[in-house]
Amino acid sequence: GAGVSQSPSNKVTEKGKDVELRCDPISGHTALYWYRQSLGQGLEFLIYFQGNSAPDKSGLPSDRFSAERTGGSVSTLTIQRTQQEDSAVYLCASSVRGYGNTIYFGEGSWLTVV
Amino acid sequence: GNSVTQMEGPVTLSEEAFLTINCTYTATGYPSLFWYVQYPGEGLQLLLKATKADDKGSNKGFEATYRKETTSFHLEKGSVQVSDSAVYFCALRFSQGGSEKLVFGKGTKLTVNP
Repeated sequence: GAGVSQSPSNKVTEKGKDVELRCDPISGHTALYWYRQSLGQGLEFLIYFQGNSAPDKSGLPSDRFSAERTGGSVSTLTIQRTQQEDSAVYLCASSVRGYGNTIYFGEGSWLTVV
Repeated sequence: GNSVTQMEGPVTLSEEAFLTINCTYTATGYPSLFWYVQYPGEGLQLLLKATKADDKGSNKGFEATYRKETTSFHLEKGSVQVSDSAVYFCALRFSQGGSEKLVFGKGTKLTVNP
């Protein structure tokens, strides 16, 4: 498709289980971001990938969170041993490199930990 | 550090009223500035942007001017419609140590009544 694609759109998981969220960026976009949107917390940066460079992981909230980007395209965000406070919408975004360029967001993956 | 402060909502207006949503920023260097909009049940969409001082971004009747002297990027619209009801996010994008981040304000919820 033409936009950033994320899956699943909704995920309900039991506390303690691992989850994987997938992002397929816009073709040709070398920059890829993950953000978390929690009720009352706004939009929180998690991780940034740029081409083959080492990712900026400075926003990951704990070592239970990890992300990878294979072949410079699709990315997977993994949350291990989920906690209730992990419940949020996880947004993926992509762009062409250059801070004046627009960052395009996907529809998000709504995660609920019960 | 780099941060964005925007007026807290919620904001409730009648149709055809004038809208201003204030946004100020703190940044080192020369960031790019953005307004994103999130309609109910949808993902984040770019509304407008400005990449250097005195630039004016505009789209769908909305405008914002990048004011370096006051570190502001206030969003305005002369006559709002019911369809403008959404959450509006001010954001700045900057480069730091090879990473490019987008930092958001907390969002302002706008409701327009007929």
